[in-house]
Amino acid sequence: EDQVTQSPEALRLQEGESSSLNCSYTVSGLRGLFWYRQDPGKGPEFLFTLYSAGEEKEKERLKATLTKKESFLHITAPKPEDSATYLCAVQGRATNKLIFGTGTLLAVQP
Amino acid sequence: DTGVSQNPRHKITKRGQNVTFRCDPISEHNRLYWYRQTLGQGPEFLTYFQNEAQLEKSRLLSDRFSAERPKGSFSTLEIQRTEQGDSAMYLCASSLSGNYGYTFGSGTRLTVV
Repeated sequence: EDQVTQSPEALRLQEGESSSLNCSYTVSGLRGLFWYRQDPGKGPEFLFTLYSAGEEKEKERLKATLTKKESFLHITAPKPEDSATYLCAVQGRATNKLIFGTGTLLAVQP
Repeated sequence: DTGVSQNPRHKITKRGQNVTFRCDPISEHNRLYWYRQTLGQGPEFLTYFQNEAQLEKSRLLSDRFSAERPKGSFSTLEIQRTEQGDSAMYLCASSLSGNYGYTFGSGTRLTVV
């Protein structure tokens, strides 16, 4: 069964303190791994799609990497506006649905 | 284009009542998805349409749930005989064939009292 596990559940950082979020996954044939950001009371906002091990993508202070078993979302010099829940999801080759993890709640304090 | 639109944003209903939610996807997107999210959890897949055809349904989608997408445009999700366990955020998303990134709407928060 396809599964996604995210850690830590919650992370508190000081502004400028870089860190990484982890997403471990098992899937029967990876079509894509997705990172989303979700603010309270809103729908998830798409960040990245990674398709194969070794791939990396960057957007502003965020960088996502992918191996055969896990993905990392690196946050460099975070700002308070980066505070949100970050969700990881996988899509297998035999389906069109995404399997989401429970997310990491990130709080960046000024 | 204003993105994926969902209405209403909030719905409070009494147990046993029927409710219907609407989703208007991005106009050129032919794929539409419904997900449900409870507090502290990630979204859970409910169902998926390609154009007007419902191609995949989750086991979570009991007989009380039904979704339609007439003419391959907007979609509705109906819950009959609501139960307290149905309280959640119902999210709609859309995408283009061959593009695996979804765009989500802001969701409809359902509270069953």
